[in-house]
Amino acid sequence: EAQVTQNPRYLITVTGKKLTVTCSQNMNHEYMSWYRQDPGLGLRQIYYSMNVEVTDKGDVPEGYKVSRKEKRNFPLILESPSPNQTSLYFCASSWGTGRVTEAFFGQGTRLTVV
Amino acid sequence: AQSVTQLDSQVPVFEEAPVELRCNYSSSVSVYLFWYVQYPNQGLQLLLKYLSGSTLVKGINGFEAEFNKSQTSFHLRKPSVHISDTAEYFCAVVYSGGYQKVTFGTGTKLQVIP
Repeated sequence: EAQVTQNPRYLITVTGKKLTVTCSQNMNHEYMSWYRQDPGLGLRQIYYSMNVEVTDKGDVPEGYKVSRKEKRNFPLILESPSPNQTSLYFCASSWGTGRVTEAFFGQGTRLTVV
Repeated sequence: AQSVTQLDSQVPVFEEAPVELRCNYSSSVSVYLFWYVQYPNQGLQLLLKYLSGSTLVKGINGFEAEFNKSQTSFHLRKPSVHISDTAEYFCAVVYSGGYQKVTFGTGTKLQVIP
């Protein structure tokens, strides 16, 4: 089954404690991205990756890091989380350059930073 | 900057009544248009998409949308809603000529009243 898998689904952490949210897709997609969803703001892109070892900032990258060492995985790293990073996070993937298609989304990770 | 506008943050409608959820985008360049639906505690699912061809596109669950280039709109419609349609709906645009960044609207919560 084609899917994007995020883990964990729920996470409560304390300010300053490094965390990683994993994302994996099994569709051989080139393009992957991370979004955060906040009430009234819709989904805002944090980082994206066009292929292995190619990443770039989205609209709200401050406080986040990503890496793309393998095509299927695109983890989101919060090195020193703060309460304003409390949000619902989604990973998404799609085919890539030369072929516009819909994005496939993970189930989301609800992060609370206290 | 490119933007997507969903003017209605909430739309209450009685069961079996018709509904239209509005979406306007900012750019006049070639675009690819999508509607996604998000049920409570779930990720986003594709409802329908316009990539090219006929401006009237049909999606899942009886929804349809019409691409209007002159008005830069992509409104979503359903002739008769069901309780199960209660969800949040996001309009999304991919602008051609660049990487596959998806710009989302802020979402419309559809509440179907029995």
